[in-house]
Amino acid sequence: SAVISQKPSRDICQRGTSLTIQCQVDSQVTMMFWYRQQPGQSLTLIATANQGSEATYESGFVIDKFPISRPNLTFSTLTVSNMSPEDSSIYLCSVDGGLNTEAFFGQGTRLTVV
Amino acid sequence: RKEVEQDPGPFNVPEGATVAFNCTYSNSASQSFFWYRQDCRKEPKLLMSVYSSGNEDGRFTAQLNRASQYISLLIRDSKLSDSATYLCAVTLGGYNKLIFGAGTRLAVHP
Repeated sequence: SAVISQKPSRDICQRGTSLTIQCQVDSQVTMMFWYRQQPGQSLTLIATANQGSEATYESGFVIDKFPISRPNLTFSTLTVSNMSPEDSSIYLCSVDGGLNTEAFFGQGTRLTVV
Repeated sequence: RKEVEQDPGPFNVPEGATVAFNCTYSNSASQSFFWYRQDCRKEPKLLMSVYSSGNEDGRFTAQLNRASQYISLLIRDSKLSDSATYLCAVTLGGYNKLIFGAGTRLAVHP
């Protein structure tokens, strides 16, 4: 299993500002994933972060809005840029436990944009 | 059509009841299948992986039907502590890019 530390756990931000969320894993992992869970909704994949290459974004998500860094095999950041109230959501990072095995999640970052 | 669809719920059942959730997926190339449990304001945690042969863990039974492209979760003898949202998830390809269903909320009452 993997232990994932995600921070901040929550934040309230002004519209137009940016927030960077950090995700630290206790072991080296190939892939890290960033999800968004809007109120009352399920998880939607934002992007897949590989170390040493640019992140791969899902339809509807773009790098300018959600830049991602993956400087090494244990760490990744997601930035929510130029925030608006519609960005209020829970953001979760996830890592895979190996081929076709379960994924592990960070505790999530609850973001409120006012 | 959504890639993964679930019963919308909520399911309100008494303690001791048996409840079943279904989940369909659209991509026949889906390789791995999971049920996750998410408690309010918490991250999802794996409940069960789902195999073609089906698998059982105590009161929980998961089954996969590849021909019809659905997975199911059966909970027997429901407990109050089973109250949560149950998310089905599938992966495509060789890595864990999880596609989640919308989740089914279960409320078990005394």
